[in-house]
Amino acid sequence: EAQVTQNPRYLITVTGKKLTVTCSQNMNHEYMSWYRQDPGLGLRQIYYSMNVEVTDKGDVPEGYKVSRKEKRNFPLILESPSPNQTSLYFCASSLSRASSYNEQFFGPGTRLTVL
Amino acid sequence: AQSVSQHNHHVILSEAASLELGCNYSYGGTVNLFWYVQYPGQHLQLLLKYFSGDPLVKGIKGFEAEFIKSKFSFNLRKPSVQWSDTAEYFCAVNTGAAGNKLTFGGGTRVLVKP
Repeated sequence: EAQVTQNPRYLITVTGKKLTVTCSQNMNHEYMSWYRQDPGLGLRQIYYSMNVEVTDKGDVPEGYKVSRKEKRNFPLILESPSPNQTSLYFCASSLSRASSYNEQFFGPGTRLTVL
Repeated sequence: AQSVSQHNHHVILSEAASLELGCNYSYGGTVNLFWYVQYPGQHLQLLLKYFSGDPLVKGIKGFEAEFIKSKFSFNLRKPSVQWSDTAEYFCAVNTGAAGNKLTFGGGTRVLVKP
């Protein structure tokens, strides 16, 4: 089944404790992206990756890091989480932007609480 | 930078009522337009999309949307809602720039009362 998976689905942590949220897709998509969802603000892009070893900042990158060492995986790293990073996080993937069909497929979400 | 506005934050309806959710975007060039739905506790699913051609787009579950270029709008409609349509609905725009980024509206929570 074609899908985007994220782990963990729920995480409660404390300020300053480094964490990683994993994202994996099995559709051979070049493009992957991370969004955070906050009430009334919709989804905002954190980072994106056009392909392996190619990443760039989205609209709200502060406090986050990403890496893209393999095509299927795009982990989100919070080196020193703070309470304002409490949010619902979604990973998404799609074919290359060069394609005229650029629907993005979303993972199930990771609800993060930073105390 | 482009932006997307959804006019209603919360909508409460009774079953069989008609639904219309407004969406306006600010971008002067060519856009791809999407409506996503998020059922309680689930991830986003694509309802429908507009890339080009007929401005009246039909999606899944009886939803449709109309692209009105002169008004920069892409409103979502459903003639008769069901309790199972209770969800949050997001309008999104892609301009092909900035790495295939989707710019989302703030979302509209729809509650359908049985």
